[in-house]
Amino acid sequence: TQLLEQSPQFLSIQEGENLTVYCNSSSVFSSLQWYRQEPGEGPVLLVTVVTGGEVKKLKRLTFQFGDARKDSSLHITAAQPGDTGLYLCAGARSGAGSYQLTFGKGTKLSVIP
Amino acid sequence: DAGITQSPRHKVTETGTPVTLRCHQTENHRYMYWYRQDPGHGLRLIHYSYGVKDTDKGEVSDGYSVSRSKTEDFLLTLESATSSQTSVYFCATEEGLGRNTEAFFGQGTRLTVV
Repeated sequence: TQLLEQSPQFLSIQEGENLTVYCNSSSVFSSLQWYRQEPGEGPVLLVTVVTGGEVKKLKRLTFQFGDARKDSSLHITAAQPGDTGLYLCAGARSGAGSYQLTFGKGTKLSVIP
Repeated sequence: DAGITQSPRHKVTETGTPVTLRCHQTENHRYMYWYRQDPGHGLRLIHYSYGVKDTDKGEVSDGYSVSRSKTEDFLLTLESATSSQTSVYFCATEEGLGRNTEAFFGQGTRLTVV
């Protein structure tokens, strides 16, 4: 069972366009994270959202955590070729006094100059 | 950056041979994970560890075993490599102490089974 569903799986857009990537679950998470992975590298954390309804901005990237803490979105404004990569969401759940992450399968973004 | 080192970075092996991949961390993180990444499948969890000698299976554990005898080292063994195990393998660590817990990834090991 896939706890975190990301959509779309693939996205190819022209430079300057806007896009939104979604991460959905039926489970409640204590926090939700977005990572970006570039070719030949491991994923790197972009942002963590903790509170339901929270919105965080990182330059042209806007991250939102759903009110019920089950879903999240990543919006990129005026995409640039440097945004190309694999975007992964990960949800943290607590158990036995610690927190553990579960990853979605990712959205592969290609921004064409 | 968390100090996570995977070795080897690249390996070609023959079908039927055992292979061991090593992940070494310098951050004293509690959790360690092994993932494989394949086109169309994203990151799939193979095994994880929540402490020394404490491990559990992930969604694609068949054909793989792990060991963690020290906090800093997490080994992944392919008992008898098959072509379907050709993949890029990532190790990750996580301190797991709070809601802002973060996963740190190694640079990956590209394994080819011929």
